[in-house]
Amino acid sequence: AQSVTQPDIHITVSEGASLELRCNYSYGATPYLFWYVQSPGQGLQLLLKYFSGDTLVQGIKGFEAEFKRSQSSFNLRKPSVHWSDAAEYFCAVGATSGTYKYIFGTGTRLKVLA
Amino acid sequence: DAGVTQSPTHLIKTRGQQVTLRCSPISGHKSVSWYQQVLGQGPQFIFQYYEKEERGRGNFPDRFSARQFPNYSSELNVNALLLGDSALYLCASSLLVDYGYTFGSGTRLTVV
Repeated sequence: AQSVTQPDIHITVSEGASLELRCNYSYGATPYLFWYVQSPGQGLQLLLKYFSGDTLVQGIKGFEAEFKRSQSSFNLRKPSVHWSDAAEYFCAVGATSGTYKYIFGTGTRLKVLA
Repeated sequence: DAGVTQSPTHLIKTRGQQVTLRCSPISGHKSVSWYQQVLGQGPQFIFQYYEKEERGRGNFPDRFSARQFPNYSSELNVNALLLGDSALYLCASSLLVDYGYTFGSGTRLTVV
């Protein structure tokens, strides 16, 4: 079955510290992979996406993610977190077999300490 | 450029009522998808439309229906509302069916 797992429900980091949010997926073929960010009461903003090619993907706001096929992972990283990064982060797989749809993880809520 | 716009932004309905949510995609985008996000969870796929045809449906009851108009805007209808339908309903649009989607800010539906 297709699924996305975000093992960390909550993460707290200090401002200026590095960040890594974990995402593991289960999907039979090469997936399309996405990271979205959601501020309270808001919709989803795309941070970055992976379709093919270079496995290290650069996104907006200084984020990057690395696709590791052997580990079925697509972890999100940022070298130095800013207070404005506090939000909820969702990893998603674009399932292309049958109906094209996103399968989302349950999200990781990031808190940033000043 | 205007993004994906959804209306209304907030809505309160009573159990048993019917609701219609509206979505205008980014200009030129022909594919629209709808997702339901219950508090504390990730979004769940409801429908996908492309060129006015339904291309996919998630695991939702028949009380949920949708359509896409010639201008590619879309409506999501929910009949016989239940308390459990309270959620943020997100619309997303894309140029093609299997491409990256841009999400709107959502409609917050509260059923009382």
